Amino acid sequence: RKEVEQDPGPFNVPEGATVAFNCTYSNSASQSFFWYRQDCRKEPKLLMSVYSSGNEDGRFTAQLNRASQYISLLIRDSKLSDSATYLCVVNMLNTGNQFYFGTGTSLTVIP
Amino acid sequence: ETGVTQSPTHLIKTRGQQVTLRCSSQSGHNTVSWYQQALGQGPQFIFQYYREEENGRGNFPPRFSGLQFPNYSSELNVNALELDDSALYLCASSSGQGGRQFIGELFFGEGSRLTVL
Repeated sequence: RKEVEQDPGPFNVPEGATVAFNCTYSNSASQSFFWYRQDCRKEPKLLMSVYSSGNEDGRFTAQLNRASQYISLLIRDSKLSDSATYLCVVNMLNTGNQFYFGTGTSLTVIP
Repeated sequence: ETGVTQSPTHLIKTRGQQVTLRCSSQSGHNTVSWYQQALGQGPQFIFQYYREEENGRGNFPPRFSGLQFPNYSSELNVNALELDDSALYLCASSSGQGGRQFIGELFFGEGSRLTVL
């Protein structure tokens, strides 16, 4: 079983739409959670960390449910520039501080 | 720009050959980790170095090895290349106490794209 599971998509949405991505993780000892963004043929970059209380950064909202081992990312008012692959990432200190990445969810925002 | 540089950016090798990939970490970062990203997949953790010592390793065979130097730059070596080693190899630097506590954001280089024929 993979440490982090994501729906690979692709998600094709019109500009202005709201889109949600989900992710589950298998190890309850996971300690830190993130969403990274990766543009085509580029390196991943941190989009936002995810906290148990939920956190928001402009149009982006991230949620963590530790009981269900579930992480979500909500993008409101989608822009063309949001087109990218979104990677769910989990960090576990008890396995040598490893970061585990999901396969990524592909988003294309259509004009 | 993340300040993390990798070389070479692209290379082609044949099965059985050996390859060395290099990474210069961001100034002030003492931890370097390496990832393999196959097409259509997320990055897979290979190993991590903290202050010149390996302090975490993913599910990769021993023919994947590495080094970290006193200036915190790093190398990834792969021996006896196989076709399935074809991938984007990403280096990420970060700061912290590696293995002991959360080390914060990963800053990735642009990667080295390896093709094995």
